[in-house]
Amino acid sequence: KAGVTQTPRYLIKTRGQQVTLSCSPISGHRSVSWYQQTPGQGLQFLFEYFSETQRNKGNFPGRFSGRQFSNSRSEMNVSTLELGDSALYLCASSLASRTNEKLFFGSGTQLSVL
Amino acid sequence: AQKVTQAQTEISVVEKEDVTLDCVYETRDTTYYLFWYKQPPSGELVFLIRRNSFDEQNEISGRYSWNFQKSTSSFNFTITASQVVDSAVYFCALSEETTSGTYKYIFGTGTRLKVLA
Repeated sequence: KAGVTQTPRYLIKTRGQQVTLSCSPISGHRSVSWYQQTPGQGLQFLFEYFSETQRNKGNFPGRFSGRQFSNSRSEMNVSTLELGDSALYLCASSLASRTNEKLFFGSGTQLSVL
Repeated sequence: AQKVTQAQTEISVVEKEDVTLDCVYETRDTTYYLFWYKQPPSGELVFLIRRNSFDEQNEISGRYSWNFQKSTSSFNFTITASQVVDSAVYFCALSEETTSGTYKYIFGTGTRLKVLA
């Protein structure tokens, strides 16, 4: 069974640009959540989607948005990039409708904003 | 406020030593779940264990063991006879119910473990 796939693996952008990251969950998983990982801050929760609906949202500005498609694939978009957005963005999927189940993570997209 | 604290930023040990990674959490809820994940250099976090708030039994899995103590709000992780392959960043996490009836994860800042040969 294929794991969680995130593309691209690395991305370099400049301030003011926008970026879209993609996540394909494990087959059959309907919940997809996104996290931002920066040194010293650990993993910060961005949002979670379940059956194409955003179910939970973290404390990030509106520049961060996401969506989920009918096949459970998810995309995350960051508009008007800032230097502080440089981070590893991790996607995680889970099988059950309740997110106290264990998460399966992708290898992440390393975003560098110059 | 809900919070997970991993006070140890980085630990270095020599192979075969035992090492304990600390995790302290804060929550208002009586029902919650605690997790440990391992992040090797490849980047993806790997699930290690889940424990619910009503199950304070300690668990052992091979060289790994977990000590859950509600009285001190701690969920510590011990690796016995560490190996170089244990080198990774380890995250403790808390999952608790939101006002909408779903669950949300809160992660600690992680502990980087370096096991030297």
